[in-house]
Amino acid sequence: EVQLVESGGGLVQPGGSLRLSCAASGFTFSRYWMHWVRQAPGKGLVWVSRINGDGSSTTYADSVKGRFTIFRDNAKNTLYLHMNSLRAEDTAVYYCARVEYCSDPTSCYTWFDHWGQGTLVTVSS
Amino acid sequence: DIVMTQSPDSLAVSLGERATINCKSSQSVLYSSNSKNYFAWYQQKPGQPPKLLIYWASTRESGVPDRFSGSGSGTDFTLTISGLQAEDVAVYYCQQYYSIPQTFGQGTKLEIK
Repeated sequence: EVQLVESGGGLVQPGGSLRLSCAASGFTFSRYWMHWVRQAPGKGLVWVSRINGDGSSTTYADSVKGRFTIFRDNAKNTLYLHMNSLRAEDTAVYYCARVEYCSDPTSCYTWFDHWGQGTLVTVSS
Repeated sequence: DIVMTQSPDSLAVSLGERATINCKSSQSVLYSSNSKNYFAWYQQKPGQPPKLLIYWASTRESGVPDRFSGSGSGTDFTLTISGLQAEDVAVYYCQQYYSIPQTFGQGTKLEIK
């Protein structure tokens, strides 16, 4: 059974940093592109970032580019999101999500087939 | 970015009746080389992560009840729930995966009348 378990959320002051983790199990983690998607309280879903299977290709939403870094440790089956210069508008539940397998290591356009339960990040003074 | 617009924002339907949710993309998500629509539907219940219902616009995910069906092509898509059940109360999101950033509709809240 595919499982994705996020951790690392919490309360942080504006301008602060936080690192989220997503522990994966039940599948060959290194073969899959992984994403982060966030949801502000009472709002809709917003894509944040993605990374390919070996970590060599990453993409970011404009709203987080230069502040967030996605990376992975395939030996630990774990996905990460390091967030710097946090702002109030970054307050959200952050989900890690797996996409349906695609073989291309440079480009992948498939749907989210599994999601974690999410971890809440609150940016406030 | 491709903008996804759902209608209505909320919907109340009687048990056993049909619910219809629409989604319109600001540009076509039909890839001509394979004739596939890069489009999905998700269901999100309170306090839970989204759950995949439909991909390629009309392919039901394994385990999803057959009362859920998707249709449409290009820029206009529909999610139909035939024979609404109490457990279908949720927010439904459409999504395009044709281009990055992948974008979602604003959500449609489905309630029981």
